[in-house]
Amino acid sequence: EDKVVQSPLSLVVHEGDTVTLNCSYEVTNFRSLLWYKQEKKAPTFLFMLTSSGIEKKSGRLSSILDKKELFSILNITATQTGDSAVYLCAVYLQGAQKLVFGQGTRLTINP
Amino acid sequence: DSGVTQTPKHLITATGQRVTLRCSPRSGDLSVYWYQQSLDQGLQFLIQYYNGEERAKGNILERFSAQQFPDLHSELNLSSLELGDSALYFCASSSLGSYNSPLHFGNGTRLTVT
Repeated sequence: EDKVVQSPLSLVVHEGDTVTLNCSYEVTNFRSLLWYKQEKKAPTFLFMLTSSGIEKKSGRLSSILDKKELFSILNITATQTGDSAVYLCAVYLQGAQKLVFGQGTRLTINP
Repeated sequence: DSGVTQTPKHLITATGQRVTLRCSPRSGDLSVYWYQQSLDQGLQFLIQYYNGEERAKGNILERFSAQQFPDLHSELNLSSLELGDSALYFCASSSLGSYNSPLHFGNGTRLTVT
């Protein structure tokens, strides 16, 4: 069965800290890995990763994929209270044409 | 704003009833996906349509059905509702239905079955 596992499930840090969120996967026919941020409603797209070792960066957020070890990390530096959200990792399966989500990491940034 | 529109935002209904959720994809997107999000199970894939045809099926119950119309909007029909069907139902769209195109989500329909 295709599986995407995120850790930790919950994380509370202080504003200004740096956090690393983890996502590991065991799937057939991996094609790409995506990160989403979910606040109150719709998950919003952050990154799509298809190649190992190439860091994607957007402001204080960055992500990298390791296809050999089957995991990805999402880093957030200099965290702000607005970063508080659930971060979702998902893997796109070629052939099956569906996105399989992990259970999410709930990140809380305290002022 | 993702450009994906879902209606209604909230729906409260009784067990045994039938409801229809509606989704309009982003302009130009041919693929529509439906997901169910409940507290204990995260985002669960239900079904995908591409240009009017069913492309992939996930853990969708037989009591649930969906379709995509020629104008590309989609409807998810839930019948014989049970308390456990209470959840947030998301629609997402993408341009090609392939791994190169990220999914963009609507704000969801919150269904409460009483």
